[in-house]
Amino acid sequence: QKEVEQDPGPLSVPEGAIVSLNCTYSNSAFQYFMWYRQYSRKGPELLMYTYSSGNKEDGRFTAQVDKSSKYISLFIRDSQPSDSATYLCAMRTGESGGSYIPTFGRGTSLIVHP
Amino acid sequence: DTAVSQTPKYLVTQMGNDKSIKCEQNLGHDTMYWYKQDSKKFLKIMFSYNNKELIINETVPNRFSPKSPDKAHLNLHINSLELGDSAVYFCASSRPPSEQYFGPGTRLTVT
Repeated sequence: QKEVEQDPGPLSVPEGAIVSLNCTYSNSAFQYFMWYRQYSRKGPELLMYTYSSGNKEDGRFTAQVDKSSKYISLFIRDSQPSDSATYLCAMRTGESGGSYIPTFGRGTSLIVHP
Repeated sequence: DTAVSQTPKYLVTQMGNDKSIKCEQNLGHDTMYWYKQDSKKFLKIMFSYNNKELIINETVPNRFSPKSPDKAHLNLHINSLELGDSAVYFCASSRPPSEQYFGPGTRLTVT
């Protein structure tokens, strides 16, 4: 079993839909949870960052962490064609020898069609 | 004013050749990284440098050698390229404990 599991999709939704992207993990020591967005032929960019359990909202995006279930989610409201990208979850423990290296999921490809 | 830049963007070369990828960041970060992203989109850490010193070196063939001339630069040199080295290589930087900023990637194709 991989440390971080993420369905690669693709997930295809109509414009305006609510999108739910999810990851599960096995390492209970993970404390920091991130979502990155990666457009085609571009580098990943940090979208959301949360510590421990709970919700965090930023505009149309909501990140949710359930540590008891080892499950994290990213919700996108009123999805737009410009949201079409690959979404990678990432998570890490605390400091590791001076660097903070997250473990990434393989990414979910999202397609929002007009 | 790109934060993390890499050159070249595309690299096509033959097996057995030696090549280098350059990375520069203008964010003032102390820590820089090299990642490899394979065809299945998995992002794997290769190296991490903190203040020009190697911190993490994951299981990477010794044909790969990172060089950090200063805090703002982390280059990757690859000797004797193999077909399996074909991937997208990303440079990233951070100021721990904040998260990482990624460069645009270098798409390496070995023929």
